Amino acid sequence: QVQLQESGPGLVKPSQTLSLTCTVSGGSISSGSYYWSWIRQQPGKGLEWIGYIYYSGSTYYNPSLKTRVTISVDTSKNQFSLKLSSVTAADTAVYYCAREATANIAFDIWGQGTMVTVS
Amino acid sequence: QSALTQPPSASGSPGQSVTISCTGTSSDVGGYNYVSWYQQHPGKAPKLMIYEVSKRPSGVPDRFAGSKSGNTASLTVSGLQAEDEADYYCSSYAGSNNFVFGTGTKVTVL
Repeated sequence: QVQLQESGPGLVKPSQTLSLTCTVSGGSISSGSYYWSWIRQQPGKGLEWIGYIYYSGSTYYNPSLKTRVTISVDTSKNQFSLKLSSVTAADTAVYYCAREATANIAFDIWGQGTMVTVS
Repeated sequence: QSALTQPPSASGSPGQSVTISCTGTSSDVGGYNYVSWYQQHPGKAPKLMIYEVSKRPSGVPDRFAGSKSGNTASLTVSGLQAEDEADYYCSSYAGSNNFVFGTGTKVTVL
C-alpha cells in the first residue's frame, strides 16, 4: 500500500525559501504510471495545485506560481521535493503531496499534509 | 486560471440526497472528461471519491455519483449518512498539464 509523508520546517521567515520533502513508501516513485504532486490549502480556503513531477524529472507548474516554484525528484531515496521562493504570509498553508495517476488524471493518494507558517 | 465555482454549502437529512455543482469553462470542465471529486473531513487530507466525471475508486460507496453537462459537473450523494458530513472539492484538468480545483462545498447532514 503506497503511502506519502511530507516533512520539513513548519515555520519560514518572509522572503526566504520554503522547502518540503515527500517520502514515498510501499511503492516506487519510478513507476511510469504516476506524476508526483504538490497541493496546498491556505487556512479556511480551498485547494490549490502547485505542480507535479514525473520520475524522469519533467516538471509542470501552476502558471500563477511558476516563477517561484521548483519541484525535484530523488529516485534513489524515493522522494520528491518542493521549493517555493520569496514567501510571504499568503504562502501560509497546509502543504500536501499527492500521487496523480496518469491513467485517470486524478489525485488518488495523499499525504497527511504539513502546516507551514510564514512569519 | 480561476477556481471552479461551487456553492459554499449544501445540506440534507439522513437518507436524503444532496447534489453539489461545480461550474467551470470550456477550457477545463467543459473541455475534458477529467473531473474528479474529493471529500475532506476536518483536519484530514482529501480523499478521492470520483474520477473521470463518474467513476468511483474501489471502496467508495455507490451512494456517490458524478455527472457532467457542458461546463458544469455535479456530485450527488444519495442516502445521506452522518459520515458524509465533510467538505467536498471538485477538480478538473485544464489542459497543458494544469489543474484547477473548485471553491469547495460544506455538506451538512441535518
